[in-house]
Amino acid sequence: DGGITQSPKYLFRKEGQNVTLSCEQNLNHDAMYWYRQDPGQGLRLIYYSQIVNDFQKGDIAEGYSVSREKKESFPLTVTSAQKNPTAFYLCASSIGTVNTEAFFGQGTRLTVV
Amino acid sequence: QKEVEQNSGPLSVPEGAIASLNCTYSDRGSQSFFWYRQYSGKSPELIMSIYSNGDKEDGRFTAQLNKASQYVSLLIRDSQPSDSATYLCAVWNPGGFKTIFGAGTRLFVKA
Repeated sequence: DGGITQSPKYLFRKEGQNVTLSCEQNLNHDAMYWYRQDPGQGLRLIYYSQIVNDFQKGDIAEGYSVSREKKESFPLTVTSAQKNPTAFYLCASSIGTVNTEAFFGQGTRLTVV
Repeated sequence: QKEVEQNSGPLSVPEGAIASLNCTYSDRGSQSFFWYRQYSGKSPELIMSIYSNGDKEDGRFTAQLNKASQYVSLLIRDSQPSDSATYLCAVWNPGGFKTIFGAGTRLFVKA
């Protein structure tokens, strides 16, 4: 089955730790995205990538980093510089970045303990 | 002014009624418009996309777009309790080359 797989589903981070959220897609989509969702709020774009080895900052990139070494994979690292990382993180992909629908993974819920 | 605005709700309708969800956007250059449904604790799923003025129907769902008024809406006919969810309006912005999401409208369908 084609789709987007995020792991883990739940993640707990201690203060000062870096953590990496995985996102893999087998839809052969060129574009991939990371969004953050806080309770009662819409999705805010963290980073996006249109092609392999290239990515751009979204609206709230501070404290996050990404890589796009393979078309299928777009991992997100939440660094210790992100002061309020507790949120629901969503990875998405689309055929391209122009006028196309995005399809989402099941999300990772990150909690700072 | 937010780029994409939705009434947060909750919007409550009885089973079998028509639910009307509304969205306004600020950038006149916006070209593509999407409605996503998100159940509590789950990820959004695309239910409708619309690109030109007018209505687009898909089963019980109708999307309506009025670019002159910068307004897009979603009608759900014969609402079912399983339609209870948060509905996110999303707008593709060619200037920023990205999709912008509204905060969503919570819909409750009472049995």
